[in-house]
Amino acid sequence: QQPVQSPQAVILREGEDAVINCSSSKALYSVHWYRQKHGEAPVFLMILLKGGEQKGHEKISASFNEKKQQSSLYLTASQLSYSGTYFCGTDRSGAGSYQLTFGKGTKLSVIP
Amino acid sequence: NAGVTQTPKFRVLKTGQSMTLLCAQDMNHEYMYWYRQDPGMGLRLIHYSVGEGTTAKGEVPDGYNVSRLKKQNFLLGLESAAPSQTSVYFCASSYRTSGTSYNEQFFGPGTRLTVL
Repeated sequence: QQPVQSPQAVILREGEDAVINCSSSKALYSVHWYRQKHGEAPVFLMILLKGGEQKGHEKISASFNEKKQQSSLYLTASQLSYSGTYFCGTDRSGAGSYQLTFGKGTKLSVIP
Repeated sequence: NAGVTQTPKFRVLKTGQSMTLLCAQDMNHEYMYWYRQDPGMGLRLIHYSVGEGTTAKGEVPDGYNVSRLKKQNFLLGLESAAPSQTSVYFCASSYRTSGTSYNEQFFGPGTRLTVL
């Protein structure tokens, strides 16, 4: 079952902040975030694990609420380069990176 | 390093034809994956492999077969293509550390397949 991402799309002006949410109806072991620019391959942003461990880019901020089965990605002081579609991938089996179920994505557009 | 490469980049098939998509990685990664991406659907896992000679089904495996005879290559086959298989196909790979698999996936550039 796909996780639900919200919002589906958001438009920001440079310098504004945004939060992208990812929710699952099942318990999660980890949440993985990727960004995909139009016509390109997805690129890794961050992994959040149960217990609070995080792996990823230092400039990206995210949270993982295990009890609520939710994760949020925080984009602060947005830049034009942040534009793209953000996907969360959820791990419900504890298998890690190789059994992820991705959400449908959140399209972020940053304008001057 | 080339990273993850996919061949071909584009392909048009007629219904019923067969084809093989090739994925190669030069990072010595243990895990490899095939995804399909359709508009508004996100990425869906077709098959994956946790090592040379092993494969497993993902979320949407019907109509596809895979093989991993060499660690660096992961092949995706369509035996009898259908219009519903029109999609963009991404291959990815990741490494294993200390017995865990919580590592980033590196994606290839994708193959755009159209089945008429």
